[in-house]
Amino acid sequence: DVKVTQSSRYLVKRTGEKVFLECVQDMDHENMFWYRQDPGLGLRLIYFSYDVKMKEKGDIPEGYSVSREKKERFSLILESASTNQTSMYLCASSSGGMETQYFGPGTRLLVL
Amino acid sequence: QKEVEQNSGPLSVPEGAIASLNCTYSDRVSQSFFWYRQYSGKSPELIMSIYSNGDKEDGRFTAQLNKASQYVSLLIRDSQPSDSATYLCAVDTGTASKLTFGTGTRLQVTL
Repeated sequence: DVKVTQSSRYLVKRTGEKVFLECVQDMDHENMFWYRQDPGLGLRLIYFSYDVKMKEKGDIPEGYSVSREKKERFSLILESASTNQTSMYLCASSSGGMETQYFGPGTRLLVL
Repeated sequence: QKEVEQNSGPLSVPEGAIASLNCTYSDRVSQSFFWYRQYSGKSPELIMSIYSNGDKEDGRFTAQLNKASQYVSLLIRDSQPSDSATYLCAVDTGTASKLTFGTGTRLQVTL
């Protein structure tokens, strides 16, 4: 079974703080993704990576950066958290060339 | 902008009935189609994938694909209260394993 884990289920941060969200997958998948999910807006892609040290912007990359130093780990960084980044953050992974994505449990982030 | 459209619902069906969920997509080059189920407060889980025109059955679930009309549907037979969830349709973008997701249809199965 594919297992995707995320570092926190719930997180509360203050405006201006630097926030790290970590995602780890154990299936040697090449592709990893970060989404945010908001009511009425669905899943929106922030960044994705198809290889170590490779990253591509998704649909809403502003205010975020990512890091992928190891194949199994993909980090999302909020350089200076803002209240409009309060959301559910979902990490997913997929095998190279296959589109089926497997999701982690999600991190619900509240920025005060 | 490639789009995937779903009726947000809620779609309410009685227990034991067939639930029919529909999805349309705009990009004709899409080749892979997925249905995910998402319970409230949880992450999406894959329940069906379909790649060819026609029907694909898995237990109580049947996915139907019509590429000419650009729609994909999910039928749930003998609906159970545990099927109450939001169902997300996802379509490949033809680029680097990326998917475009619909906003989901909320299904309520009533006793």
